[in-house]
Amino acid sequence: EPEVTQTPSHQVTQMGQEVILRCVPISNHLYFYWYRQILGQKVEFLVSFYNNEISEKSEIFDDQFSVERPDGSNFTLKIRSTKLEDSAMYFCASSEAGLGETQYFGPGTRLLVL
Amino acid sequence: SQQGEEDPQALSIQEGENATMNCSYKTSINNLQWYRQNSGRGLVHLILIRSNEREKHSGRLRVTLDTSKKSSSLLITASRAADTASYFCATDGRETSGSRLTFGEGTQLTVNP
Repeated sequence: EPEVTQTPSHQVTQMGQEVILRCVPISNHLYFYWYRQILGQKVEFLVSFYNNEISEKSEIFDDQFSVERPDGSNFTLKIRSTKLEDSAMYFCASSEAGLGETQYFGPGTRLLVL
Repeated sequence: SQQGEEDPQALSIQEGENATMNCSYKTSINNLQWYRQNSGRGLVHLILIRSNEREKHSGRLRVTLDTSKKSSSLLITASRAADTASYFCATDGRETSGSRLTFGEGTQLTVNP
């Protein structure tokens, strides 16, 4: 069964460094998302992406963050100048269509900012 | 208050018993989804119920939706130790643009062998 994959599974970085989290959505899906989950907290929406542009973003998704679909398969989240509070599990998700459709999540990337 | 609040926060049962978890939400929705998360792992989609549906089944899972009360329940029948996980409801709100999911705090289910 097709699934969303994410790399790396774990990333440790120093505060102030840039990180890029990678995702390969399910191949026939058109909508892509990033969520994050700070340890012990609930999952929070960051951004949704469709047709090569951001369709919605949350208040968390500030200028520090950016997303890109550099080719036909990858979907990336870049965090510039990481902060301690960026430490979290980052989940990529994809769906075949947008509103009202099932979103399938990847296994996550655990980011630790020191 | 938060959209998608589950109760109880934690539930501990014996194998073979049924587990019921509840979710309440505040705004109108298009659909409600239930997800499962094993400790420190990814989110596994369990079931989606649309706002015009009242009940849905999938294997040992039964989900109900009451839009008048803005609540949903997830019933796991004949639970197994492998069902031990956190369970989250997530809503896809009519009042938000796009298709963001808003998650609840989750219910930690422990099934004791």
